[in-house]
Amino acid sequence: AQSVTQLDSHVSVSEGTPVLLRCNYSSSYSPSLFWYVQHPNKGLQLLLKYTSAATLVKGINGFEAEFKKSETSFHLTKPSAHMSDAAEYFCVVSPLSNFGNEKLTFGTGTRLTIIP
Amino acid sequence: ETGVTQTPRHLVMGMTNKKSLKCEQHLGHNAMYWYKQSAKKPLELMFVYSLEERVENNSVPSRFSPECPNSSHLFLHLHTLQPEDSALYLCASSQGYLAGINEQFFGPGTRLTVL
Repeated sequence: AQSVTQLDSHVSVSEGTPVLLRCNYSSSYSPSLFWYVQHPNKGLQLLLKYTSAATLVKGINGFEAEFKKSETSFHLTKPSAHMSDAAEYFCVVSPLSNFGNEKLTFGTGTRLTIIP
Repeated sequence: ETGVTQTPRHLVMGMTNKKSLKCEQHLGHNAMYWYKQSAKKPLELMFVYSLEERVENNSVPSRFSPECPNSSHLFLHLHTLQPEDSALYLCASSQGYLAGINEQFFGPGTRLTVL
């Protein structure tokens, strides 16, 4: 069994300040973890993924996330927010295996608002 | 046209209508997915096709009927829907059906409203 909890449904930050979007997971297997972003009227786009390599993962648009097994967390950060970062962000978990029956389990999303 | 496209982008239908959603991927992938995105709820996986065969059907009501005629096209046929079926329906594709490894590429979705 696996699950994802995004601790904040809405985060507001000022432009140029750091962004922190929190995610905790549970998984019976070694997990793969993802962050997706969804801009208004657009599909989901992959920001970054963790698949058992380096625990600090760098993604697109200056985002990064750190896998912390002891805390079962995979928080998303960015040093300096831009207006274009305003969107919905989804944390996603999947078992890292090759049985062919894995599913992505999505969190409920965090809406990020950037204050000018 | 690149990536994953979906048509129509918006659809309003009555409960007695029959309509179809179309998805096309231009990425050479061999797995395709339908998801339902409702407000305040996590994305729900509805169907998965791998190499044009259905490999997942997550207890979806029979009023939703998928079709995958080839690896580039995926349809979702709708009939006698209920108002609670109103949602954003997202299509995705990936190269290979290993969710933990293969990135899924999403289309922009079809916003469905059932009256």
